[in-house]
Amino acid sequence: AQKVTQAQTEISVVEKEDVTLDCVYETRDTTYYLFWYKQPPSGELVFLIRRNSFDEQNEISGRYSWNFQKSTSSFNFTITASQVVDSAVYFCALSEWAGSARQLTFGSGTQLTVLP
Amino acid sequence: DTGVSQDPRHKITKRGQNVTFRCDPISEHNRLYWYRQTLGQGPEFLTYFQNEAQLEKSRLLSDRFSAERPKGSFSTLEIQRTEQGDSAMYLCASSLSSGGADNEQFFGPGTRLTVL
Repeated sequence: AQKVTQAQTEISVVEKEDVTLDCVYETRDTTYYLFWYKQPPSGELVFLIRRNSFDEQNEISGRYSWNFQKSTSSFNFTITASQVVDSAVYFCALSEWAGSARQLTFGSGTQLTVLP
Repeated sequence: DTGVSQDPRHKITKRGQNVTFRCDPISEHNRLYWYRQTLGQGPEFLTYFQNEAQLEKSRLLSDRFSAERPKGSFSTLEIQRTEQGDSAMYLCASSLSSGGADNEQFFGPGTRLTVL
């Protein structure tokens, strides 16, 4: 089973619509970290948010918000009033202990296209 | 620019040749990571350095792959006897972390390798 599942391969919305990107993870660790990264067409991964497993408080940053629910092992990402510049591939990632160090495992990504 | 830099950005080589990539992390970052990303997939962990020590290697890292981080600064990733299956984007990332914590990783622009 995949450790990080992003079931939505591609999503297309019209500008100003809200969109939610799903992320479901699997881990046996009690202490772990979750991340979201954005990869625009230029290719460079951009960090968006980090959340540790003890902090289930939802977070809002401008048009972005994140909903972390340990009970369902989900860490979903919502973009409100989407813009064309939000078009990118979004990756969810899980950091957990693997051997002697933490290892970051990425999902396969969700390609978001925002149409004007 | 004080971000993570990688050189070269693109590399085309013939099967069987050796290639070497360089990564310069953010200067104060103690951790350095190498990932490989193929089309339509998220980055896959290859190896990780804490300062100059290589602490973890993925099973993806065959004997043809070797990485170094002399003096805990820049890092090199060498692939010997390249194969067509090695064609991918090779990403470097760095972070400033201590103990069991895992802070966000900052990624470089990547080196795209094409093996003919």
